[in-house]
Parts: sequence; structure tokens; C-alpha cells
Amino acid sequence: NAGVMQNPRHLVRRRGQEARLRCSPMKGHSHVYWYRQLPEEGLKFMVYLQKENIIDESGMPKERFSAEFPKEGPSILRIQQVVRGDSAAYFCASSPPTGELFFGEGSRLTVL
Amino acid sequence: QKEVEQDPGPLSVPEGAIVSLNCTYSNSAFQYFMWYRQYSRKGPELLMYTYSSGNKEDGRFTAQVDKSSKYISLFIRDSQPSDSATYLCAMSRLPATDSWGKLQFGAGTQVVVTP
Repeated sequence: NAGVMQNPRHLVRRRGQEARLRCSPMKGHSHVYWYRQLPEEGLKFMVYLQKENIIDESGMPKERFSAEFPKEGPSILRIQQVVRGDSAAYFCASSPPTGELFFGEGSRLTVL
Repeated sequence: QKEVEQDPGPLSVPEGAIVSLNCTYSNSAFQYFMWYRQYSRKGPELLMYTYSSGNKEDGRFTAQVDKSSKYISLFIRDSQPSDSATYLCAMSRLPATDSWGKLQFGAGTQVVVTP
């Protein structure tokens, strides 16, 4: 039973480019969460999605960031016009309808 | 003021010692309390979770919650070099009938167990 799969594991972008991070939840999990981890800081909640629905996006920056979890395929976290401050590790987690979160290994974004 | 405070360390202990970690929080709405372990360049993995005040033991790990003081602890007995990692406390407001989901994390404490 594969865990939460994230790709790419490492992504380098220049300022102004777009970054797309993908997350495939564990089999049978219908809930997906995205968290961001800045250097020397804990994980910060960004968004909570279920299939085709954004449930809670209270942690998402108001501009440039968007997330989706389509009926088919992985969840996508999209960052438009990246800036240096977006450099971080982005973790996806999934869970069944009740219970614990399982985290992926993260996608590390570096903005030059 | 952060909702969850955690000393970032690093905390260095000799092999076999007891590791003591703690977090304080300010929001009394938190109901579930978790400890995650994160190895370098890896994702967090759940170690233990507790609900309400009290102790919970699992092998070498003991988690304590004191809701009246808004204070949680994790103890690791007989520490091993393989326990060297960052330990993150996390908390959730959600009831057991829903996904734990929106967690509030501490900054994490880096632990180094020296042979």
C-alpha cells in the first residue's frame, strides 16, 4: 500500500515563473491537506480539500496560490509568479474520513 | 503570540538517557494532541496522539497532556541514536467524528542522541 506520493521532490524556479506541485493521496483516502514548512519553522496549514471541493483554504495566501483536487488525478498546488519568499518545503497529507493524517515526503521549492 | 510554543533546541542527550520534550498552547479549544517525528528531508510521521488530559504510553514513548495548564509533554526512554530527529507537537480542534485535518504545529525540537 503506497503512501502519500508527492512530486516533484525538488523544484527550482526563477522569480515570476509558475510552480506546480502534485500529490496523490493514499488509497482509500478522500481528504487532502497541504502544509508549508519554512526553514526553522513548523508546518503551517494551507488548505483542505476533498474531491472537487475546497473545504478550508484559510491558510492560503490570498494571491498567487491555488489548489485543486479533481475527480480524477492528483491534487495540485499551484503557485503563480513565484517570489523568493515562496521557497519552502510543501507537504501534502491525506486521511480517511476520520482519523490521522499521513504525510508525504514533501516537495522542496527553491526560487532563484 | 504563537498559538503553540515549542523550544527549537537542539537538545543533545547521551544514548540511554531520557528525552523530555514539551509544548505550551494558548487556545483551550484544542482537543487532540499529537507528536510527530520528522527525520531530515523527510515527511512527519505520527508517533502518538492523545485526547484530553492524562498519560499515554507506547513502548519507549510516553505522552502527557495537562489541559488545565495548557501543556503537553513527550518522554522518550532509553534513547537511541536512531531517535535523532525533529519532534513536532501538533494540536487539533476537531472532534473525533471528523478528519484531524487542520493541525496547529509547534516549531519542532531538534533532538540529537549521541552514542
